[in-house]
Amino acid sequence: DAGVIQSPRHEVTEMGQEVTLRCKPISGHDYLFWYRQTMMRGLELLIYFNNNVPIDDSGMPEDRFSAKMPNASFSTLKIQPSEPRDSAVYFCASSLPAGDTQYFGPGTRLTVL
Amino acid sequence: KQEVTQIPAALSVPEGENLVLNCSFTDSAIYNLQWFRQDPGKGLTSLLLIQSSQREQTSGRLNASLDKSSGRSTLYIAASQPGDSATYLCAVGAGTALIFGKGTTLSVSS
Repeated sequence: DAGVIQSPRHEVTEMGQEVTLRCKPISGHDYLFWYRQTMMRGLELLIYFNNNVPIDDSGMPEDRFSAKMPNASFSTLKIQPSEPRDSAVYFCASSLPAGDTQYFGPGTRLTVL
Repeated sequence: KQEVTQIPAALSVPEGENLVLNCSFTDSAIYNLQWFRQDPGKGLTSLLLIQSSQREQTSGRLNASLDKSSGRSTLYIAASQPGDSATYLCAVGAGTALIFGKGTTLSVSS
């Protein structure tokens, strides 16, 4: 398997623009997670899905953030409108049943000017 | 609220040295604990997963221990090599979510 795939790898945008990050989990994994990593706060869970259904979105910072998983092989994280403080590395991860190893994608480095 | 702390934040050692990285957590009601490695500009690679019923796990030169009652885990790296240079992250499984420490950045000099 190719592992968790994320696109784009780098995104530079201007404040106020819409940003969409994409993730393809490992085939057969039931759980998908979105994390954000910053120097100040480290790695934080934003939201996770089980069988395409959002289970816990308490980590989503604001209504500007939304995530979807229309099918088992694709998820998006959208920020609209983006702000400079959203600049971070966003990781997607997937796993088999809860409690199993999580496999991370390479991340998307987002810069909002 | 679960908090995960890793000490030290950075560590420099000469090649060949055995070393220990520390992780502490505030709530002992955990499902598991994972150690990850992160190389600069890259994603996370899982190194070891310890279930809450286990005391330790070993993989090659790596050994991770878990003491739930004291809220501690250690990652032991034997005979360190320059290729071990990376940031090591500890993550506590609280239900399905992982709560991460901020990591220890290890530098092994040749």
